[in-house]
Amino acid sequence: DTGVSQNPRHKITKRGQNVTFRCDPISEHNRLYWYRQTLGQGPEFLTYFQNEAQLEKSRLLSDRFSAERPKGSFSTLEIQRTEQGDSAMYLCASSLGQGPSGNTIYFGEGSWLTVV
Amino acid sequence: EDQVTQSPEALRLQEGESSSLNCSYTVSGLRGLFWYRQDPGKGPEFLFTLYSAGEEKEKERLKATLTKKESFLHITAPKPEDSATYLCAVVLGDYKLSFGAGTTVTVRA
Repeated sequence: DTGVSQNPRHKITKRGQNVTFRCDPISEHNRLYWYRQTLGQGPEFLTYFQNEAQLEKSRLLSDRFSAERPKGSFSTLEIQRTEQGDSAMYLCASSLGQGPSGNTIYFGEGSWLTVV
Repeated sequence: EDQVTQSPEALRLQEGESSSLNCSYTVSGLRGLFWYRQDPGKGPEFLFTLYSAGEEKEKERLKATLTKKESFLHITAPKPEDSATYLCAVVLGDYKLSFGAGTTVTVRA
């Protein structure tokens, strides 16, 4: 049973460059989430997909951020024109959304972004 | 405003010294409270979900309890491998988690 997979695990980029992160959720999980976490803080919600539909975007997700989930499988999070304030760990999570344990949300190992 | 506060921020324990972590929350209509463990540089690892006051769950040396205003994570006779940051989160609406800042536990041999 594979968990939530994220890549790349680490990315160092220059300010102004674009970066893309990929997330492969647990198979058959129809709900997918992106969170962002900075040092010393808990994860903060960014966006939520149910199947391929993006149903909610946080105010934290500026216009430079875009997330997709084509065909309701893997998801990508793209950050355009990166800024130093974007440096953080980007976490993907998934859940089944139904059944006794459907609300359990499982996280991936995260993708660290450093903008220099 | 929905809020989750964890205390203490850091906890240093001697191996075998039991203790408790606190997670207090203000949310209307709690729909679930999650506990996660997070190791440095890794993603949160699911531990427990609690849904109603009075509910308790256990896993090895960890026991989570829930009241109407707070949850406790009890660590009994901790070992060095229990060192981690423990995160508490409440469910907002149907799916969104609102996290506290976490409690970093260090267990010395």
